[in-house]
Amino acid sequence: AQKITQTQPGMFVQEKEAVTLDCTYDTSDPSYGLFWYKQPSSGEMIFLIYQGSYDQQNATEGRYSLNFQKARKSANLVISASQLGDSAMYFCAMREGTGNQFYFGTGTSLTVIP
Amino acid sequence: DTEVTQTPKHLVMGMTNKKSLKCEQHMGHRAMYWYKQKAKKPPELMFVYSYEKLSINESVPSRFSPECPNSSLLNLHLHALQPEDSALYLCASSQAWGGLTKQETQYFGPGTRLLVL
Repeated sequence: AQKITQTQPGMFVQEKEAVTLDCTYDTSDPSYGLFWYKQPSSGEMIFLIYQGSYDQQNATEGRYSLNFQKARKSANLVISASQLGDSAMYFCAMREGTGNQFYFGTGTSLTVIP
Repeated sequence: DTEVTQTPKHLVMGMTNKKSLKCEQHMGHRAMYWYKQKAKKPPELMFVYSYEKLSINESVPSRFSPECPNSSLLNLHLHALQPEDSALYLCASSQAWGGLTKQETQYFGPGTRLLVL
């Protein structure tokens, strides 16, 4: 079974609008961390936001927020006020408390339209 | 500063060549990683070094040989590669390894685009 599922291969959003990128995960470990990365066409993976499984509040970092619904095992990324520079591939990732792997989803390609 | 540097940015090599990829971080991170990424795919973990010791080798062919000379440097030595090894090679580092906190966050370099002819 896939550890991380991103069901949206491609998304379009109008500039200045908000967009939600979906991520669901599969783990039986009560301890885990969830990460979102942005990868522009230049190739560098840029860390955006982190959510721990025991964190009481949803993580926020500037225009990025994480809609963490533990019971549904979802960790959707919300980007507010989209900018042209947000056009990139976005990867959701998870690390479990046990084991050493960093599991990546298949990614969502976001295009911001002027 | 969360900067990981990688050299070279681009590399073209023949199947009989020997080359090396270099990665450097000055954040005091104790874990460093090599990933391989094919176009439109997520990164695939190759190696993990923790405290300068190889902790994980994800069944990578021996034509890829990692080396960690010190806590800031990570090399990937390439020898007798195949055309299917052409990919983006990403280096990453994290403050910690083996726990489960935000310190496990991996920070990536810009990558080396490798083409094997």
